[in-house]
Amino acid sequence: AIQLTQSPSSLSASVGDRVTITCRASQGIGSALAWHQQKPGKPPKVLIYDASSLQSGVPSRFSGSGSGTDFTLTISSLQPEDFATYYCQQFHTYPPVTFGQGTRLEIK
Amino acid sequence: EVQLVESGGGLVQPGGSLRLSCEASGFTFSDHYMDWVRQAQGKGLEWVGRIRNEANSYTTEYAASVKGRFTISRDDSKNSLYLQMNSLETEDTALYYCARDRTKYSGGRWYVLIDDWGQGTLVTVSS
Repeated sequence: AIQLTQSPSSLSASVGDRVTITCRASQGIGSALAWHQQKPGKPPKVLIYDASSLQSGVPSRFSGSGSGTDFTLTISSLQPEDFATYYCQQFHTYPPVTFGQGTRLEIK
Repeated sequence: EVQLVESGGGLVQPGGSLRLSCEASGFTFSDHYMDWVRQAQGKGLEWVGRIRNEANSYTTEYAASVKGRFTISRDDSKNSLYLQMNSLETEDTALYYCARDRTKYSGGRWYVLIDDWGQGTLVTVSS
């Protein structure tokens, strides 16, 4: 199974900060990576697919990049509603579909 | 608007069975592959399995942790997805989400992407 490792596992930042989260795959997955956002007590929500394509309705301050084994999710200017847990997910090879362990973004 | 509404969760003893349902609306359910994904309290997301559409013979795939115990099915006439869970273990305690997939063709092959999530239903396995 393809393993995804996110870093950092948790992160404290302030409103207005630029934040980057990294996801590394155990083998090459091309651009077959998605990012999901999950707020406390809520289901996940798709933010980005194909490593860099923004899901409809997602603010443009979110962006994704990378291919192969190394990927990043960047939030250009943190807003209060962005404090959440972020998961990367590969759809290159299944079964199984795999997720990263999550990155918890907290208010500093 | 896409809506996915799970139901059927509850408390069950180890070794018991439970059947979850997911009722879909706001899209052509029969066209889509569908997934189940679970999340233990305070933990990350774990894919449970997938069912393809009729055009792909309703074939299924499962995570190793549930293969042989869980069965995914669907009834397109009722816009519904199901997860039959047997021989439940305490480790199966989690919030279970159904998720809609979409397929895309790129670079000579097909990919399957999760593109929407339900609200989840809680399963607790405990004596």
